[in-house]
Amino acid sequence: GAVVSQHPSRVICKSGTSVKIECRSLDFQATTMFWYRQFPKQSLMLMATSNEGSKATYEQGVEKDKFLINHASLTLSTLTVTSAHPEDSSFYICSAQQETGDLLYNEQFFGPGTRLTVL
Amino acid sequence: EDQVTQSPEALRLQEGESSSLNCSYTVSGLRGLFWYRQDPGKGPEFLFTLYSAGEEKEKERLKATLTKKESFLHITAPKPEDSATYLCAVQVGGAQKLVFGQGTRLTINP
Repeated sequence: GAVVSQHPSRVICKSGTSVKIECRSLDFQATTMFWYRQFPKQSLMLMATSNEGSKATYEQGVEKDKFLINHASLTLSTLTVTSAHPEDSSFYICSAQQETGDLLYNEQFFGPGTRLTVL
Repeated sequence: EDQVTQSPEALRLQEGESSSLNCSYTVSGLRGLFWYRQDPGKGPEFLFTLYSAGEEKEKERLKATLTKKESFLHITAPKPEDSATYLCAVQVGGAQKLVFGQGTRLTINP
């Protein structure tokens, strides 16, 4: 199946600093990538949809100025958590949609996740 | 509002004891229903996509089925390595995003 990578896998930072997380589709091109957040023992919550070459679409309640998303190429999207605070500590997961040419059959593949801890 | 509900929340089985996980949904215009497996500290691993009522897909000990209101993930003669959280998600209408259920934590005891 399609492979999606994330870097870093873990990051610990001080409160007030910014953290950048990369999401790459390794063996396919992804016009669309998605960023999720997952708290312990909870399901995935979509934060934003990232489209190559255009602005991201954020879900209700997600601060676009705090969670900056850039989708500069068909294989790379980045999420920057600006001025991170302890409540931003979470597991951040990206997914990339492999487009088959048929809009009905686009499947999403997930990265391994990034554990962010803000002290 | 589109909703996805998974049950049970947690399930413990003995090795070899077959069972089913449920995913019920209330959506406007189902485009696809997805099953993923997630191990602790890792991203979801794709299992199946179902597109229309009556469709079934199988992979090793897992079989997914779909009706107009729900999907089942049947696990036959499970092994301890099948222990994981199983997530169900729906893709609706013209949207690309997935709406996830809360997941079922499955534990298979040897």
